[in-house]
Amino acid sequence: DQQVKQNSPSLSVQEGRISILNCDYTNSMFDYFLWYKKYPAEGPTFLISISSIKDKNEDGRFTVFLNKSAKHLSLHIVPSQPGDSAVYFCAAPRGGSNYKLTFGKGTLLTVNP
Amino acid sequence: DTGVSQDPRHKITKRGQNVTFRCDPISEHNRLYWYRQTLGQGPEFLTYFQNEAQLEKSRLLSDRFSAERPKGSFSTLEIQRTEQGDSAMYLCASSLNQGSNIQYFGAGTRLSVL
Repeated sequence: DQQVKQNSPSLSVQEGRISILNCDYTNSMFDYFLWYKKYPAEGPTFLISISSIKDKNEDGRFTVFLNKSAKHLSLHIVPSQPGDSAVYFCAAPRGGSNYKLTFGKGTLLTVNP
Repeated sequence: DTGVSQDPRHKITKRGQNVTFRCDPISEHNRLYWYRQTLGQGPEFLTYFQNEAQLEKSRLLSDRFSAERPKGSFSTLEIQRTEQGDSAMYLCASSLNQGSNIQYFGAGTRLSVL
C-alpha cells in the first residue's frame, strides 16, 4: 500500500513564479517528513524536513507546510529557477521507526525560462 | 567531506549471472541503507545496517539477495541468479545514529539484466 502519495506526476511553472508540490500520507504514525530532490543520473539529495510538532519550516526559497488533520504536506519554491527542475520526492520514516524511509512516487518539476 | 559513493555506476549482466555492488558511506555515519528504485517509483527500502549488524530486511529482499557490512564501514549487495525483474537502480544511503532522520544517498548503481 502506498502510504505516501504524490498524485501529480509532473508540474510545469515559469521561472520566477511559485512552485507548489503536494504530498498526502495515510499513516498517522508518521511524525517526520522529508523532501528530496533528484536530478537524472544522481541520487536523491536532501532538501528540507519538518517535524509533526511544527506546521511550517522554511529554508531560503523552500518552505514546507504540514497539515496534520488533512494528512497533507506541501513544498513551496519561490521564486522558482530553471535549476530547480528535477524530480521531488516526499518521504517519511515508516511506522514510527526512525530509519527506513517510505517515499512517494515523485513529481517531476520543470521550470521554464 | 566526501559523500556516499557507489560502484559500479552501471552494470549490465545476463540473466542467471551473479552481481555485486559496493557502497562506501560517509565516514562517520554508522547507519547504512540499501534501497531499490524502478521507473516511475520512489526508492523502496531493502535493508539497513547499524555498524556491522543487519537489523532489518524488507520482504522485497528475496533469498537471492544478500548484503553485508563486515567491518561497519563499506557494504556490499550481492544478487545471485539475476532475473530481468531485478533491473533497477540500487541506491545506498547513510546517516548518523542521532535523532535526525536525514539519509544521504549515493548516485546509485543501475542494473540492467538482459
